[in-house]
Amino acid sequence: GAVVSQHPSWVICKSGTSVKIECRSLDFQATTMFWYRQFPKQSLMLMATSNEGSKATYEQGVEKDKFLINHASLTLSTLTVTSAHPEDSSFYICSAQPVSYEQYFGPGTRLTVT
Amino acid sequence: AQSVTQLDSHVSVSEGTPVLLRCNYSSSYSPSLFWYVQHPNKGLQLLLKYTSAATLVKGINGFEAEFKKSETSFHLTKPSAHMSDAAEYFCVVLGGATNKLIFGTGTLLAVQP
Repeated sequence: GAVVSQHPSWVICKSGTSVKIECRSLDFQATTMFWYRQFPKQSLMLMATSNEGSKATYEQGVEKDKFLINHASLTLSTLTVTSAHPEDSSFYICSAQPVSYEQYFGPGTRLTVT
Repeated sequence: AQSVTQLDSHVSVSEGTPVLLRCNYSSSYSPSLFWYVQHPNKGLQLLLKYTSAATLVKGINGFEAEFKKSETSFHLTKPSAHMSDAAEYFCVVLGGATNKLIFGTGTLLAVQP
């Protein structure tokens, strides 16, 4: 149980375009979902926290207009990277949290911006 | 504020020998601590968690960790390393009332044949 999926697993896009990444909790409802960014050989940095039906809370230094997060249902959150640039290339990981404190992580999405 | 420090960025062991990955924490109250493993290009998998119950926590794949308040440590151990254990390991603390996970910088474990 407690499976979280992400789609796509790998995406390549051109500079200036937008990319949407989906995060789904497959067998539980997630009141809260988190989005992390991981640079090569580095740790995970929390980007934002989203609660179903409300606006996401962004961490300091994260551009909310660039990284749009929507948590429209208890099983789906999306991260849209708008006007992507090469420096946005990274590994994006989501996690989903049911009522308890434990987070369940998705497999990640590798974004490459050319 | 809560934080964790992973003392080694790289650890290399031979297959069949013990594994020790070190983690120290800083917290103003009794923390919730986790160890996660990340295989290349894969998502994070929870190995084990400490939530103020038994101080010796057993996890999956033969891993265990001991919470030592006097040393503010939560080191991860395994008696005998397997090749499949080669991965990145993260020590994580739950950030108080925020429910945010705070990750250590990670330890890359290499297992030599």
